[in-house]
Amino acid sequence: SQTIHQWPATLVQPVGSPLSLECTVEGTSNPNLYWYRQAAGRGLQLLFYSVGIGQISSEVPQNLSASRPQDRQFILSSKKLLLSDSGFYLCAWSGEGKGRSNYGYTFGSGTRLTVV
Amino acid sequence: EDQVTQSPEALRLQEGESSSLNCSYTVSGLRGLFWYRQDPGKGPEFLFTLYSAGEEKEKERLKATLTKKESFLHITAPKPEDSATYLCAVQAWGSSNTGKLIFGQGTTLQVKP
Repeated sequence: SQTIHQWPATLVQPVGSPLSLECTVEGTSNPNLYWYRQAAGRGLQLLFYSVGIGQISSEVPQNLSASRPQDRQFILSSKKLLLSDSGFYLCAWSGEGKGRSNYGYTFGSGTRLTVV
Repeated sequence: EDQVTQSPEALRLQEGESSSLNCSYTVSGLRGLFWYRQDPGKGPEFLFTLYSAGEEKEKERLKATLTKKESFLHITAPKPEDSATYLCAVQAWGSSNTGKLIFGQGTTLQVKP
């Protein structure tokens, strides 16, 4: 069965510090991968998605970047964090467009980032 | 622009008091509509996928329905453990290769014993 791992679960970082959040998927190959951010009391905002290694699409201009160095690894980064980067970050995968019928996402457990 | 609006934002029910959550959507060709449950501090958990108007799906006390403009999540005789935020999302045919979903803001349900 497929599983998705996301870490760390909680992170407190000072303004101006770098960030690296990691997400890995097991039990499947060539997944679509996504990074979402969820601000308090708000819905999920798509930040980045990737349909393959090295292929990254950005949905909103921001202080963050994403990379996919391996098939099942997705990394969210920042060189210098801002206060506005605080939020709940979710990684997800889907098999959409890859010959699978499992539409929709499977989410990771999330990372609560607080920038102080 | 594709858009999803959920109502109400928050709903408080007594145990056993049935109700419905609404998800209105505007999308350029609906490929699928998804319902997720999210517990505090956790990632959303998949509940249902609906593909065409008139379709219904059930799971325990939950039943999801779909029309051409909206979806309802009916909760029958809820229990305190049904308390969570319920998220609705849509996928357009234009996103069939990327799997992108557009989410609503969610409805936070609290069921009191």
